[in-house]
Amino acid sequence: QVQLQESGPGLVKPSQTLSLTCTVSGGSISSGSYFWSWIRQPAGKGLEWIGRIYTTRSGSGRTNYNPSLKSRVTISVDTSKNQFSLKLGSVTAADTAVYYCVASGYDFEWFDPWGQGTLVTVAS
Amino acid sequence: QSALSQPAYVSGSPGQSITISCSGSSNDVGGYNYVSWYQQHPGKAPKLILNDVTERPSGVSDRFSGSKSGNTASLTISGLQTEDEADYFCCSYGGADTWLFGGGTKLTVL
Repeated sequence: QVQLQESGPGLVKPSQTLSLTCTVSGGSISSGSYFWSWIRQPAGKGLEWIGRIYTTRSGSGRTNYNPSLKSRVTISVDTSKNQFSLKLGSVTAADTAVYYCVASGYDFEWFDPWGQGTLVTVAS
Repeated sequence: QSALSQPAYVSGSPGQSITISCSGSSNDVGGYNYVSWYQQHPGKAPKLILNDVTERPSGVSDRFSGSKSGNTASLTISGLQTEDEADYFCCSYGGADTWLFGGGTKLTVL
């Protein structure tokens, strides 16, 4: 099974862009076997699906985003580094959360496995 | 899209059974058999414990079971153990390649 690890700044200023990277090990990000998602969790609150990306070795792929975040989110993939990334623009304190990168098997409507999560705080 | 609705707190004694509900709409829980449940211990990432309403992944105890009626899904934990004390989240496919989560339920084993 693949393993995922998030990385990126733990502090972002309001109005700036939050950028995180997820490194995938134990399998190719472009195998076509998985969708790659970002999910976040504000402290003491529930989970929120942000979006996902799918890519294959042929270069075909697609992205899907949470409608409530779509205008501010971009998810991309770097197959040479076996990584996928999240960019969330115009952040506010409400975007402070633990961000998880997560895999879901192609044609499987659940999320597994998960990265350990990384806390991102939006503050000046 | 609105988050799915779960009770904030549930409690039970060791050996008892508890049920956590997850209410949605005909556009999500009621419209698809794609409800999953996750267990989260403090400071840890969520762990998948049920998928497709009733299916248990390999390695998950058979004390965990799921069901769905209309727009409400349920997670039942039988024979409560102290290690079951955790937060539990439901998730449903919401159509158009989107997913919704519940607000979470904190289970206390008294």
